[in-house]
Amino acid sequence: QVQLVESGGGVVQPGRSLRLSCAASGFTFGGFAMHWVRQAPGKGLEWAAFISYDGSNKYYADSVEGRFTISRDNSKNTVYLQLNSLRPEDTAVYYCAKDAGYIYGRAYFDYWGQGTLVTVSS
Amino acid sequence: DIQMTQSPSSLSASVGDRVTITCQASQDINNFLNWYQQKPGKAPRLLIYDAFNLKTGVPPRFSGTKSGTEFTLTISSLQPEDIATYYCQQYDNLPPPTFGGGTKVEMK
Repeated sequence: QVQLVESGGGVVQPGRSLRLSCAASGFTFGGFAMHWVRQAPGKGLEWAAFISYDGSNKYYADSVEGRFTISRDNSKNTVYLQLNSLRPEDTAVYYCAKDAGYIYGRAYFDYWGQGTLVTVSS
Repeated sequence: DIQMTQSPSSLSASVGDRVTITCQASQDINNFLNWYQQKPGKAPRLLIYDAFNLKTGVPPRFSGTKSGTEFTLTISSLQPEDIATYYCQQYDNLPPPTFGGGTKVEMK
């Protein structure tokens, strides 16, 4: 069965960096785009970043553009999110999510990880 | 960006009640609309994709309909395990894919 397991969250000071990882199993990882979606405490869902199946295309929400970088290693079945210049408003649970479309991304999410909490606070 | 206006923001219903949640898109999004369920402390779960299609394993009491730019999620007979927050999400005009604000369903 499909499994997505995030790690790397924690408490970090404003301006610092963090790298999140998402280890995937149970499907042909290299054939699917992946996303990061975040959720601030008590708030709704916000899409953050997309990476195509081969890593050649990446898109970001305006709120994280220029500060966050998504990447993937298909040999390790892992997708990453590098969070730089963190702000208190980046405090959220970060979910990795599998795109529903094989090769051609469909920008909706048929499987989600359990999430990892990032807290930005001094 | 396309705005998704979801209503109501919360509702209270009894076991067996018919529950409807609506999502209004700010422009035509064809059928590129999905519904997710999120139980407290858990990750979201895809229920319905492309406006009407039930994901495998989702109980048939869940259904999706569309009228113009308004989309509806219906639970035909509310069960205790349906207590959750429900989100719509469009993916017609990208990026970004955008979510509605959520509807919290509570038991009366």
